Amino acid sequence: AQKITQTQPGMFVQEKEAVTLDCTYDTSDQSYGLFWYKQPSSGEMIFLIYQGSYDEQNATEGRYSLNFQKARKSANLVISASQLGDSAMYFCAMREIGETSYDKVIFGPGTSLSVIP
Amino acid sequence: GAVVSQHPSWVICKSGTSVKIECRSLDFQATTMFWYRQFPKQSLMLMATSNEGSKATYEQGVEKDKFLINHASLTLSTLTVTSAHPEDSSFYICSAGGQIYSNQPQHFGDGTRLSIL
Repeated sequence: AQKITQTQPGMFVQEKEAVTLDCTYDTSDQSYGLFWYKQPSSGEMIFLIYQGSYDEQNATEGRYSLNFQKARKSANLVISASQLGDSAMYFCAMREIGETSYDKVIFGPGTSLSVIP
Repeated sequence: GAVVSQHPSWVICKSGTSVKIECRSLDFQATTMFWYRQFPKQSLMLMATSNEGSKATYEQGVEKDKFLINHASLTLSTLTVTSAHPEDSSFYICSAGGQIYSNQPQHFGDGTRLSIL
């Protein structure tokens, strides 16, 4: 069974500093995709960054980068130069082939990030 | 603009009422859509995978007769919460899009807040 672990229920970071949100995953598939989403208090899911299991380079998107260590099955999100608007829930998610051959996406428990002025 | 539209945004109704939630892909065809449920301060829990033209695939522990899913066209999936009770109150969110071998993320609707009195 697939599983995603985010060991940090809550994190605090000073404005303008960098922060790393941890994510480890468990899968027996060779092909899978890893995502990070941000969910502010309003509830919408905002896509941040993607890493494919065969991608050799770590993904980057603006202030977001993904530290992908395949052998360790970890996909940590790094947010540089934190801003007050970064305060939100952050979910690590994995997409893999489901039992009916349709891919499905599952989410980790999330990390609540609070940026301190 | 939004690529997945979910309606309604919120529903308040009496116990015993059946509630239908619609999820539409606006500018792409979605053979597969996903339905999630989220309790306050918790993660998104995958309820079922909605497959166009065939039966939905439900996750373990999700009552098929309670949560009816219909995916009648390539752009519309509906979730009907039958005979809803207060314990069904939650945030329901759908997603669509993305392929296992691409970097395209799932697109999420804005969610439906369901409150059963």
